[in-house]
Amino acid sequence: DGGITQSPKYLFRKEGQNVTLSCEQNLNHDAMYWYRQDPGQGLRLIYYSQIVNDFQKGDIAEGYSVSREKKESFPLTVTSAQKNPTAFYLCASSIDGRQPLHFGNGTRLTVT
Amino acid sequence: KNQVEQSPQSLIILEGKNCTLQCNYTVSPFSNLRWYKQDTGRGPVSLTIMTFSENTKSNGRYTATLDADTKQSSLHITASQLSDSASYICVVSGGTDSWGKLQFGAGTQVVVTP
Repeated sequence: DGGITQSPKYLFRKEGQNVTLSCEQNLNHDAMYWYRQDPGQGLRLIYYSQIVNDFQKGDIAEGYSVSREKKESFPLTVTSAQKNPTAFYLCASSIDGRQPLHFGNGTRLTVT
Repeated sequence: KNQVEQSPQSLIILEGKNCTLQCNYTVSPFSNLRWYKQDTGRGPVSLTIMTFSENTKSNGRYTATLDADTKQSSLHITASQLSDSASYICVVSGGTDSWGKLQFGAGTQVVVTP
């Protein structure tokens, strides 16, 4: 089945530690995105990538980093510089910027 | 200020009944408007996507309408089922290039009761 796989589903970390969230897609989509979802708020864009080896900052990129070495993979690192990292993180992909997004089932990160 | 406002914030309906969710936006220029369904603890799933020239689009029991003049959209759920319990998110795409920035509403939480 084609789709987007995010792992792990739940992640717990101590404050001050970096953590990497995995996102893999087999839809052959060029574009990939990372969003953050907090209760009562709309999704906010962290980073997006239109093509391999290229990515752009979204609205809330501070404290996060990404890489896009392969078309299928777009991992997100939450660094210790992110002041409020506890959230639900969603990875998505699309054929291009005008097409519907296909989302993974998210990673819930809790930092204590 | 959020450029996409959804109402109501939440609603409870009886199984078999219809309901309508609202989305007002201020995004300009406008490219397209999307509705997504998000089950608890899962990623959103696309229901419909409408461009400026489309007034109505259906996906099974879901019907979305768009009035680009008044910048309003609605999502109508017909003959609700328990599986319709979810958050419904309105998303507006603006900009003139193919990577138009998406503006997400905060969602309407729908609970369908037996």
